[in-house]
Amino acid sequence: AIQMTQSPSSLSASVGDIVTITCRASQGIKNDLDWYQQKPGKAPKILIYGASSLQSGVPSRFSGSGSGTDFTLTISSLQPEDFATYYCLQENSLPYTFGQGTKLEIK
Amino acid sequence: EVQLLESGGGLVQPGGSLRLSCAASGFTFSDYGMRWVRQAPGEGLEWVSSISESGGSSYYADSVKGRFTISRDNSKNTLYLQMNSLRGEDTAAYYCAKVIVVGRNRYIDVWGDGTTVTVSS
Repeated sequence: AIQMTQSPSSLSASVGDIVTITCRASQGIKNDLDWYQQKPGKAPKILIYGASSLQSGVPSRFSGSGSGTDFTLTISSLQPEDFATYYCLQENSLPYTFGQGTKLEIK
Repeated sequence: EVQLLESGGGLVQPGGSLRLSCAASGFTFSDYGMRWVRQAPGEGLEWVSSISESGGSSYYADSVKGRFTISRDNSKNTLYLQMNSLRGEDTAAYYCAKVIVVGRNRYIDVWGDGTTVTVSS
């Protein structure tokens, strides 16, 4: 199975900051990577698919990049509603695997 | 409005069985692949199972293979997960999820709110 290593596991930041979260795949997955946001007690929500495509309705401050094994989610100017846990998911091959998650907290 | 509504969760003893259901509305159910994803308390997300649009193909995580069965009834717009031989480590919130294909990319675009399964004596 492809292992997804996500870092950092937690992150403290302030409103207005630029934040970067990374995911590394144990083998190449082309651009078959998604990013999800999850708030406490809620279902995840898609942000980015295909490594860099912004889902309709998601604010443009979210962006994704990468291909192969290394991927990045960037939030360009943190807003209060962005404090949540973020997960990457590889969709290249079964079993689909998530990163361990990054909990983004208010500094 | 696209909606997925899970039901069937609850408390079950180790070795017991449960069947989860997911009622879909607001889209043509038979046009989309579906998945179950779970999340143990305080833990991350884990893919459990996927099923194709027709139900002809299904896939499972090794952790549930041979114990869980995914199925769908397109006439009832409903997805199922039959869970047998349940273990403590199956305790989790179970999410039903709709899969969309855009170009060569597939991803989950809609999630249900989840149903909780607790396996304990």
